[in-house]
Amino acid sequence: ETVMTQSPATLSVSPGERVTLSCRASQSISSNLAWYQHKPGQAPRPVVYGTSTRATGIPARFSGSGSGTEFTLTISSLQSEDFAVYYCQQYTNWPWTFGQGTKVEIK
Amino acid sequence: QVQLQQSGVGLVKPSQTLSLTCAISGDSVSSITVTWNWIRQSPSRGLEWLGRTYYRSKWSNDFALSVESRITINPDTSKNQFFLQLNSVTPEDTAVYYCVRVIGGVFDTWGRGTLVTVSS
Repeated sequence: ETVMTQSPATLSVSPGERVTLSCRASQSISSNLAWYQHKPGQAPRPVVYGTSTRATGIPARFSGSGSGTEFTLTISSLQSEDFAVYYCQQYTNWPWTFGQGTKVEIK
Repeated sequence: QVQLQQSGVGLVKPSQTLSLTCAISGDSVSSITVTWNWIRQSPSRGLEWLGRTYYRSKWSNDFALSVESRITINPDTSKNQFFLQLNSVTPEDTAVYYCVRVIGGVFDTWGRGTLVTVSS
């Protein structure tokens, strides 16, 4: 199966900072990559799908890029409500697989 | 707006069966454009996809190799819901379990999650 590797495991940042999260696939997944945001006590929700398409209700400060095996999620100016764990997920190769997550925490 | 409401027992004894229900509102379990999935999350395994059920012209299932000998996922069209059963559980099956709607490979709507602890 396709292994998804996220880095770093934890990011300590201050509100207003620019944040870049990385996700690497063990084999090419074309552009079939999604990012999810997960806050404690809440259901995870999609942030980006198709590598760069923002999901419904996601603000423009979130952007995704990449192709093949290397992908990034960028938050241009981190807001308080953005502190969460972010997961990447590929949906090219069956079974669909997730990365282990990057926790974005307050510095 | 689609919502998934999970229910089920949070404490299961080793060797017994884990059972969870996911009630769907805002969509149909018989929709031919989506699949209905179960995922679990634990510190040791991260997010692990377990299986799915879906209707195209008949009902079908797919399961993860890690659990395929122990898992059942069934729809209930009369109540617009679907179920997870995992047999012969061990403490390794302790996790938060989510039901999720998937469209085109994207996990677009999640339940709130149910913590299931396997312990005697």
